[in-house]
Amino acid sequence: DQQVKQNSPSLSVQEGRISILNCDYTNSMFDYFLWYKKYPAEGPTFLISISSIKDKNEDGRFTVFLNKSAKHLSLHIVPSQPGDSAVYFCAASAMNQGGKLIFGQGTELSVKP
Amino acid sequence: DTEVTQTPKHLVMGMTNKKSLKCEQHMGHRAMYWYKQKAKKPPELMFVYSYEKLSINESVPSRFSPECPNSSLLNLHLHALQPEDSALYLCASSQIQGQGYGYTFGSGTRLTVV
Repeated sequence: DQQVKQNSPSLSVQEGRISILNCDYTNSMFDYFLWYKKYPAEGPTFLISISSIKDKNEDGRFTVFLNKSAKHLSLHIVPSQPGDSAVYFCAASAMNQGGKLIFGQGTELSVKP
Repeated sequence: DTEVTQTPKHLVMGMTNKKSLKCEQHMGHRAMYWYKQKAKKPPELMFVYSYEKLSINESVPSRFSPECPNSSLLNLHLHALQPEDSALYLCASSQIQGQGYGYTFGSGTRLTVV
């Protein structure tokens, strides 16, 4: 039972353009959502998060949007840079599940110069 | 210190060997986690320790044995593993369990079972 889904395994974007990574979830009890970035042979690095009581959170070039009615969130990166090329994981947690992170399958972003 | 340090970075072990993975953090975090990640798959939770006590065991086989000797250290003892246990093992910590945010991950131990 995949509670967090990232349906696009890969995404290719031109440098300077917008990257939009999508994530869907099924568990309405999730109260916190996070995006992690991962390079090969490294652990995930926290990027940005959003509480379920908000619909948008912005940090520099990164913005996360949450649509609770659609159980959908997205990560926007503007402008995209070659250094953003990595695998991006969407994750969610619920207090009633001990706060453990449930990860999506990941989307590999490639930003081309 | 804002890091989670995992050792070793790479480990090759036979199916009859006993080995241990180590994880250390000095951020004062009281929750520590072991995750397993297979290639092209998301990290999957194995164990959660909260205040040095095992809080969650995600039905992990007994050939994996976690230990939390103190608030800064987390070990994963390995015995009689199978080739399918080969994966990247990630340790993480957070201030307290129950918060879905504020996880810090280590770089992982790449384990190969031969």
